[in-house]
This record gives sequence, C-alpha cells and structure tokens, in this order.
Amino acid sequence: DVKVTQSSRYLVKRTGEKVFLECVQDMDHENMFWYRQDPGLGLRLIYFSYDVKMKEKGDIPEGYSVSREKKERFSLILESASTNQTSMYLCASSSVDKPDQPQHFGDGTRLSIL
Amino acid sequence: EDQVTQSPEALRLQEGESSSLNCSYTVSGLRGLFWYRQDPGKGPEFLFTLYSAGEEKEKERLKATLTKKESFLHITAPKPEDSATYLCAGYYGQNFVFGPGTRLSVLP
Repeated sequence: DVKVTQSSRYLVKRTGEKVFLECVQDMDHENMFWYRQDPGLGLRLIYFSYDVKMKEKGDIPEGYSVSREKKERFSLILESASTNQTSMYLCASSSVDKPDQPQHFGDGTRLSIL
Repeated sequence: EDQVTQSPEALRLQEGESSSLNCSYTVSGLRGLFWYRQDPGKGPEFLFTLYSAGEEKEKERLKATLTKKESFLHITAPKPEDSATYLCAGYYGQNFVFGPGTRLSVLP
C-alpha cells in the first residue's frame, strides 16, 4: 500500500530557529511536493521536486528551502522560523510516468512557532 | 493564473439529506480534476479523478461529475461518518491547484 510518512505530527519551535521537516515515500515516485494548509486558504505549494537534487519553487517559497538527496526523501527547511510560518505542512508524492494520477499525501506536521 | 474555487465553504446536513458540493475551475489547460476527502488532523485521501466533460465516478454514497467548467460531488443519503472536508484540485500539466475545500458536517 502507498505510504508517505512525515517524521513529526506536531512540532513546537521558537522564532529564529532552523527547522527541518522530513518526508519519506515508499512508492518509488519521482515527484515530491511540500504544501502548507491554512484555514480558508487551502493548500498552497511551497516547493516541489521532480528528481533527486532537482527542485522548483511553488507559489510561496519565501522563507523556505528544500533538499532532496535521495529519491525517497524530501526535506523542507525553515531557515529562520517566524510566527507566520505556524501552519499545517503536508508532503505529497506522485509518479512522473503517470502525471495525471493523484498525489498521495502524508498525515501532515502541525508546526507552531512561538 | 489557474484557479479552483469551491462552494459552499461549509455545509451541515441531517443524516439522509442528500446534497451537492461544487468545484469551479479554470478551464484552459485542465488535464484532470481530482476530489479528495480530508479528516481532521490527517492528510487528504484520494477519492476520484475525472478527465473529460460528462464523466462520472461513483463510490458508495458519493458520485463525482464533470462539466465543461465545474465539477460536482453528490452525496446521497449521507451518514455521520461522511463528515469531513472535501477538496477538489485541478491538474494543469505540472502543478496541482487546490480549492479551499468544503467542510461537511452530517448530523445524526
């Protein structure tokens, strides 16, 4: 069965800290995505990656960076956390061979920045 | 800019009271329309994909339909366990564009 695993369900950090969110998928998917989800705004794309060491900016990349050193793992980095980055973060993956097939999501990381 | 909107924002139904959720999307370049269900504290779970106008897909009490400019998720005789947020998303060739969702509550 398809599985996308996010390392933490809940995370509390302080302003200015460097924060790492980890995501692992076991489906051998080429594409991986990071979204944030806020009430009334829906899912907004932060970054995506279509191959190892490749990345593309999404709609709201400011304040974030990503790393993809291995095909199965995609990390989101908050370089210097700020309170407006408090949100639910969702990781997803999809197959490049079937680009119009659905994305598969992890259960999210609820991040609070104090 | 590709856009996906959903209405209503929230919907409360009595158990057994059928209704429909709406998803409107930017028509140009759409390659697929997806419906997801999201329970509180969890990631979206895939329900349906629709590719062309006139297409319909069904799963239990849910039926998704697609016209040339919008999609509907029909819920027939809903049960309390159908309570969730329902998201639609358009696929435009590289990115998925998500709507804000409809929060459905089904009361016993």
